[in-house]
Amino acid sequence: GIQVEQSPPDLILQEGANSTLRCNFSDSVNNLQWFHQNPWGQLINLFYIPSGTKQNGRLSATTVATERYSLLYISSSQTTDSGVYFCAGGIQGAQKLVFGQGTRLTINP
Amino acid sequence: NAGVTQTPKFQVLKTGQSMTLQCAQDMNHEYMSWYRQDPGMGLRLIHYSVGAGITDQGEVPNGYNVSRSTTEDFPLRLLSAAPSQTSVYFCASRYTREEIDTQYFGPGTRLTVL
Repeated sequence: GIQVEQSPPDLILQEGANSTLRCNFSDSVNNLQWFHQNPWGQLINLFYIPSGTKQNGRLSATTVATERYSLLYISSSQTTDSGVYFCAGGIQGAQKLVFGQGTRLTINP
Repeated sequence: NAGVTQTPKFQVLKTGQSMTLQCAQDMNHEYMSWYRQDPGMGLRLIHYSVGAGITDQGEVPNGYNVSRSTTEDFPLRLLSAAPSQTSVYFCASRYTREEIDTQYFGPGTRLTVL
């Protein structure tokens, strides 16, 4: 079945720092997504990134499908970036997504 | 445009009770899903639907039923609640076209089974 592993499990940074979160996924995955869950529990879809690189403001994501990993970059971190970041993998055209266990990011002022 | 709404926000049940978690979306999305999130873990798929009248099982379907009579609504039924079903439940709708695949989550229902 689909497997998704995230690292590190926890990351604590000062405001203004940059961060890199990693997601490794199994061979069958060709649909990779990143999500942010804020401290109040709300989940937001950040990127749909089966391959290549996308950027949205201070956030960017890169997926190297041939090597089965994806990276989420956060530049100039702000306290509002705190929360848990999940990656999720699936198969194109299928509804099922398997979530990793998340990286808890804490940005201190 | 309310997006995805869930009710109730909080619920406490006794073992053996049944209840229905409501989910509705006003974006006319075909795909809808129910997930559960346990402490320190990612989301696990319970059931999903690819359109009205069509549902299927996810990773952890036991103890739950769903139906999809309309595009808008996707209720989740707990048949006989057990303490192992204590969790936060999220409903999501999904929009997917070519280079776009976006999931919209509701605010969640925090369920405690005593």
